[in-house]
Amino acid sequence: KAGVTQTPRYLIKTRGQQVTLSCSPISGHRSVSWYQQTPGQGLQFLFEYFSETQRNKGNFPGRFSGRQFSNSRSEMNVSTLELGDSALYLCASSLGTGFYEQYFGPGTRLTVT
Amino acid sequence: GESVGLHLPTLSVQEGDNSIINCAYSNSASDYFIWYKQESGKGPQFIIDIRSNMDKRQGQRVTVLLNKTVKHLSLQIAATQPGDSAVYFCAEKRGNTGFQKLVFGTGTRLLVSP
Repeated sequence: KAGVTQTPRYLIKTRGQQVTLSCSPISGHRSVSWYQQTPGQGLQFLFEYFSETQRNKGNFPGRFSGRQFSNSRSEMNVSTLELGDSALYLCASSLGTGFYEQYFGPGTRLTVT
Repeated sequence: GESVGLHLPTLSVQEGDNSIINCAYSNSASDYFIWYKQESGKGPQFIIDIRSNMDKRQGQRVTVLLNKTVKHLSLQIAATQPGDSAVYFCAEKRGNTGFQKLVFGTGTRLLVSP
């Protein structure tokens, strides 16, 4: 069974631009969660989607948004990029909601210049 | 942020030793805990989890212990191997339905020498 895939793996953007990251969950998994990982703040939860609905949300500004499609694939969008948005963005999938047995993808490394 | 990763504590062990990685959590209402392993350049890998109605759970070469009285979680790795070298994170699930989130610990770097 294929694991969680994320595209692109690396991305360089300029401050003020927007970016869209994509995540394809493990087949059969209906929940996708997004996380930001930085050396200073560690791993932080962004939001969780299940059956195309946002179920839980972390403490990030409204510039960070997401959506989930009927095939469970998810996208995350960051608008008006700031230098501090440079991070590894990880998505994780699981069968159901509630963060049980989540499996992570390799991440998208975003650099904002 | 709720998870600070500025200075990673490091545990150095010899191959074959048993390793114990500790984690303190702050929210007594947290009801689900997970240990993840992250190797360089990869996403976190699920190792083992435990719900708050349990004190101990065992997997293959790994055991998680939960002490709710002192809000402490530990991961024991038996017969540690060089392939176990990685950063290990504990995570706790906090909040009520609709406002739940996973909060990660700082992480501990495990270095296994042959």
